[in-house]
Amino acid sequence: AQSVAQPEDQVNVAEGNPLTVKCTYSVSGNPYLFWYVQYPNRGLQFLLKYITGDNLVKGSYGFEAEFNKSQTSFHLKKPSALVSDSALYFCAVRMSGGYQKVTFGIGTKLQVIP
Amino acid sequence: DAGVIQSPRHEVTEMGQEVTLRCKPISGHDYLFWYRQTMMRGLELLIYFNNNVPIDDSGMPEDRFSAKMPNASFSTLKIQPSEPRDSAVYFCATRASGEETQYFGPGTRLLVL
Repeated sequence: AQSVAQPEDQVNVAEGNPLTVKCTYSVSGNPYLFWYVQYPNRGLQFLLKYITGDNLVKGSYGFEAEFNKSQTSFHLKKPSALVSDSALYFCAVRMSGGYQKVTFGIGTKLQVIP
Repeated sequence: DAGVIQSPRHEVTEMGQEVTLRCKPISGHDYLFWYRQTMMRGLELLIYFNNNVPIDDSGMPEDRFSAKMPNASFSTLKIQPSEPRDSAVYFCATRASGEETQYFGPGTRLLVL
């Protein structure tokens, strides 16, 4: 079984401040972890992924995420938030190996305040 | 490439009617996923195909839902008969073998009255 938890429905941050969107996961074996972003009335867009290697992963638009195996977390971060970062963010996980199903979290709405 | 193409973008129908949603994957992508997004349940995987073959349909909610992929360029998700609780946004996503990134279409917003 695999699951993802995004404990915050919404995160508010002032423009220019650092932001963090939290994600924890549960999976049997090694995880593949992802962050996607959804803007209003659009499909999801890929931001970044962790498959193996360096625990700090850098992605699109200045976002990064850190894989922490002991805490089973994969929090999304950005040093300086932009108003245009306001969107819905999804964390996702799948087991490594042949099983192809990706499980998405419920989503966290990020609101960057000017 | 135009990306994943879905049609229609919006569909309003009455309870009991048949609804067909369509998806054209990115050329060369051999995995295709159908998702449903609602406020209450978030993003749920309904079914996925590999090389046009359905691999896992355990997320299909009821027998009223069916999906096909007759060729590498086209897939359909059909609901017959439709019910108000089927109202949601339905996404198609595709990816290539050996890649992990899924590419999502713009979605079909379905409203069943």
